[in-house]
Amino acid sequence: EVQLLESGGGLVQPGGSLRLSCAASGFTFSDYAMSWVRQAPGKGLEWVSSIGDRGGGKYDADFVKGRFTISRDNSRNTLYLQMTSLRVEDTALYFCAKDFDGDHAFDVWGQGTMVTVSS
Amino acid sequence: SYELTQPPSVSVSPGQTARITCSGDSLPKQYTYWYQQKPGQAPVLLIYKDSERPPGIPERFSGSFSGTTLTLTISGVHAEDEADYYCQSADSSGRVFGTGTKVTVL
Repeated sequence: EVQLLESGGGLVQPGGSLRLSCAASGFTFSDYAMSWVRQAPGKGLEWVSSIGDRGGGKYDADFVKGRFTISRDNSRNTLYLQMTSLRVEDTALYFCAKDFDGDHAFDVWGQGTMVTVSS
Repeated sequence: SYELTQPPSVSVSPGQTARITCSGDSLPKQYTYWYQQKPGQAPVLLIYKDSERPPGIPERFSGSFSGTTLTLTISGVHAEDEADYYCQSADSSGRVFGTGTKVTVL
């Protein structure tokens, strides 16, 4: 079964840091680009960052540039999102998502990990 | 980056047809995709490359494109189609989601 399992979310103070992880299984992880998408409580979906299958080709949304870093370890089938200088407005459910066959859509999603930024 | 605009809500009776639009200046240059998200669940890919359905998606979901507007059509709406729907596209700087549409089945 194709599966993505996020972890690493939690409560953090403004200005703090967190590292999210996404463990992939059931497919050849190194063959696919991967992304992070977030959803603030009661709000819509918001793309955060994407990374190519071999770790190159990184793209970030304007609101995360210089604060968040996407990376992957293909030997561990794991995607990461290092988040620094967190703001209250970064509070959201963070989903890990797999690219669909080289296209720009997302065909597999995890259930998300919640990040709450609050003092 | 650019914006994709959807109507906030659409209401439809069971068995009728629901149409959800997605408009944006960059649409003619990029493929667009559609997702369904039910409360407490992750999104599900419904349509890719404007009008293609992934395996397992019912035929009542279809996508079409005209001018600068993409449309998701749900033909013969079922009660379980009540959900939020999002369009999504991409350009050289990344991906973008539409504003989302809540479909209510009356």
